[in-house]
Amino acid sequence: NAGVTQTPKFRILKIGQSMTLQCTQDMNHNYMYWYRQDPGMGLKLIYYSVGAGITDKGEVPNGYNVSRSTTEDFPLRLELAAPSQTSVYFCASSYSVRVGNQPQHFGDGTRLSIL
Amino acid sequence: TQLLEQSPQFLSIQEGENLTVYCNSSSVFSSLQWYRQEPGEGPVLLVTVVTGGEVKKLKRLTFQFGDARKDSSLHITAAQPGDTGLYLCAGALNTGFQKLVFGTGTRLLVSP
Repeated sequence: NAGVTQTPKFRILKIGQSMTLQCTQDMNHNYMYWYRQDPGMGLKLIYYSVGAGITDKGEVPNGYNVSRSTTEDFPLRLELAAPSQTSVYFCASSYSVRVGNQPQHFGDGTRLSIL
Repeated sequence: TQLLEQSPQFLSIQEGENLTVYCNSSSVFSSLQWYRQEPGEGPVLLVTVVTGGEVKKLKRLTFQFGDARKDSSLHITAAQPGDTGLYLCAGALNTGFQKLVFGTGTRLLVSP
């Protein structure tokens, strides 16, 4: 079972470049999330989606954009990369009923460095 | 604003020792989850606690949700090297869409 798949696993960007982090899930989950994980800071929610065509901002959305054209895919875009966006990015998905009682299934992360 | 504080941040112990990790907040959560994360991988759910005062056991791991649903603890009995990893608590805030707020994490190293 693939679960949540993220690509790429690693990437180095120059300041000002743009890129898209890909995320796809094969569990037919309605809810999908993007988090960033910085050392000693836990996971912070960037954006989330409750279904195809619906997205909303999380705690730290500045500098990022998302789209959700299908149930399976939830790409995260960085338009103008900045050093502060150096982090490990995790995509997750879950069933829609009572989010806090459902496990969030995570991908293995994308480690992004901006120099 | 960090709503969930975990302690300790780092713990290095010998195989066979017991340990407790704490997760504290001033906010009330509708439920709380514990995840374990290994290097190069995403977090994996260990348990969900929903009711204030609830205690759940998963083999050598015991999870407790505080009576007021503001805090939680994870106790590991006779730790093994396989328990090594980053432990994250995550609370669900019932403000419209139930977002998960993750704690700062506790990194556990169990040496043989």
